[in-house]
Amino acid sequence: GAVVSQHPSWVICKSGTSVKIECRSLDFQATTMFWYRQFPKQSLMLMATSNEGSKATYEQGVEKDKFLINHASLTLSTLTVTSAHPEDSSFYICSARGQGSQPQHFGDGTRLSIL
Amino acid sequence: QQQVKQSPQSLIVQKGGISIINCAYENTAFDYFPWYQQFPGKGPALLIAIRPDVSEKKEGRFTISFNKSAKQFSLHIMDSQPGDSATYFCAAARYMNTGNQFYFGTGTSLTVIP
Repeated sequence: GAVVSQHPSWVICKSGTSVKIECRSLDFQATTMFWYRQFPKQSLMLMATSNEGSKATYEQGVEKDKFLINHASLTLSTLTVTSAHPEDSSFYICSARGQGSQPQHFGDGTRLSIL
Repeated sequence: QQQVKQSPQSLIVQKGGISIINCAYENTAFDYFPWYQQFPGKGPALLIAIRPDVSEKKEGRFTISFNKSAKQFSLHIMDSQPGDSATYFCAAARYMNTGNQFYFGTGTSLTVIP
């Protein structure tokens, strides 16, 4: 099946630093990528939707200057958490969808811990 | 407003039993209903999905039952095994809409005891 690779799987950093998370579709062209945030024992909360070559669409309440999304190619999207603070600690998951009628395929997530 | 309601929140089943998880949706424009399985520390993995033109889809031990008039769908896991212990999410979406948002249920934590 389709594979989506997310990197890194776990990152710990100091408050105030910026962290970049990569999401790659390995065997298909991802015209659309989604970024989710998941708190422990809770459902996935959609943060933003990005289409290749255009600006991401952010969900209500998600700060676009805080969570920078770049979808520069059909196989790569990045999420940068800028000036991260402890409240940004969470599990971040990307998913990718190909052209036409395709389901979403998820990466394995990135556990972000801000000290 | 929760677009997709999922129940139960948690479920404990004995090995060999049937696990049943239910979901209900409101938007009749939804035409794609996937189920995802998530293990701790991993992303969700697509398990099985159904379109509303059929009432049932079976893949191995996993079956989706779909009731269009009631706007409900359910996942049945036959002969449940300890390895099935995970969190299960249902979702609903408009399939043909490129870039569409998936609306997820709140998840069901399944524990299969030996």
